[in-house]
Amino acid sequence: QKEVEQNSGPLSVPEGAIASLNCTYSDRGSQSFFWYRQYSGKSPELIMFIYSNGDKEDGRFTAQLNKASQYVSLLIRDSQPSDSATYLCAAPPDDAGNNRKLIWGLGTSLAVNP
Amino acid sequence: GAVVSQHPSWVICKSGTSVKIECRSLDFQATTMFWYRQFPKQSLMLMATSNEGSKATYEQGVEKDKFLINHASLTLSTLTVTSAHPEDSSFYICSARSGVGNTIYFGEGSWLTVV
Repeated sequence: QKEVEQNSGPLSVPEGAIASLNCTYSDRGSQSFFWYRQYSGKSPELIMFIYSNGDKEDGRFTAQLNKASQYVSLLIRDSQPSDSATYLCAAPPDDAGNNRKLIWGLGTSLAVNP
Repeated sequence: GAVVSQHPSWVICKSGTSVKIECRSLDFQATTMFWYRQFPKQSLMLMATSNEGSKATYEQGVEKDKFLINHASLTLSTLTVTSAHPEDSSFYICSARSGVGNTIYFGEGSWLTVV
């Protein structure tokens, strides 16, 4: 069973701190990884995706991918209360085919305290 | 980013009736759309994968005769919950795959309450 695993949290950080969210995956063939944010009662929204080893930065967000260790992380710098949400990690398995069905982690709940 | 529109955003219906939810990709063509269900405080549950012009592929445990999916065009997929019951009350979310980067974008979701 191909899986994407995340710590459910809640992860609590003070405002202005760096929030670090981690995700591990079981399918070595997965090539790309997605981070989504979901506010309570809302649908997920894409934050960023990464497919190369190393870091990818977009504003306050940095995604880090280590294919050898099979983990992907999301760093949020200068965390704000508005960042409080559930963060979902997802990856298409190597055999996803044209459908590109994603395997989802259960999400990590982040709380940024003022 | 790409826009996926879902309608209605919320609906209340009587037990035994059917409800249709539409999912449209507004600025891209989506050969594949996905339908999810999410109960409060639970994770996304994939219900089915919908390909334009062909029958949907349902996940194990999802009744295809109860949750009818039609993907009539490259920009529209519909989910019809037939003979709805209170236990079908949930948050239904669609997503569509963009050809650019094969990224998946979500609709706003539809809250269904069956009374």
